[in-house]
Amino acid sequence: GQQLNQSPQSMFIQEGEDVSMNCTSSSIFNTWLWYKQDPGEGPVLLIALYKAGELTSNGRLTAQFGITRKDSFLNISASIPSDVGIYFCAGQFDNTDKLIFGTGTRLQVFP
Amino acid sequence: GAVVSQHPSWVICKSGTSVKIECRSLDFQATTMFWYRQFPKQSLMLMATSNEGSKATYEQGVEKDKFLINHASLTLSTLTVTSAHPEDSSFYICSAFLGQGGTEAFFGQGTRLTVV
Repeated sequence: GQQLNQSPQSMFIQEGEDVSMNCTSSSIFNTWLWYKQDPGEGPVLLIALYKAGELTSNGRLTAQFGITRKDSFLNISASIPSDVGIYFCAGQFDNTDKLIFGTGTRLQVFP
Repeated sequence: GAVVSQHPSWVICKSGTSVKIECRSLDFQATTMFWYRQFPKQSLMLMATSNEGSKATYEQGVEKDKFLINHASLTLSTLTVTSAHPEDSSFYICSAFLGQGGTEAFFGQGTRLTVV
């Protein structure tokens, strides 16, 4: 099945540091979403982006919908231990509801 | 907020048996639900789109006779893994959108299937 390229694959950072991850696609999407998944759980929506160029924040999280509609990034500022988990981007095509997920970024935060 | 619930959370079955996983939208109606499979340390891969009152749409490479999907009501979709084999062991997750074309997907908590 199709997947989006997400980088980095994993990150090990110290508490308080900022984090940035991005997602690229060969296809154009009309919606980009960012999810966080804890072990043994389903993904939880963090941020949804609906327009090219859009920059949206949710607390310490900021995400942008790339101008080309083929990429997106997620920033986490001042990381804390509970930010640990796997972050997935997901793209949605026009007129369908299914999501195409990225390969994931595993984040580890050390105190 | 909207909640999607899966049952069971985990199941262990013998090779050759069938296992049914339920996905319910608890406080909203979902005409469409989605089933994903996630292998360890990998991403979610869409298996099929479950449509209420009609046949499911399967992604390329997913065997429809092995993964039976039934969406008999607006709040329930079931995935049955038939004649399960150890390679079917995985984390199965369902999701649903609020309304047609809705962009906020709610995910179930997942079902860990182990076939021994």
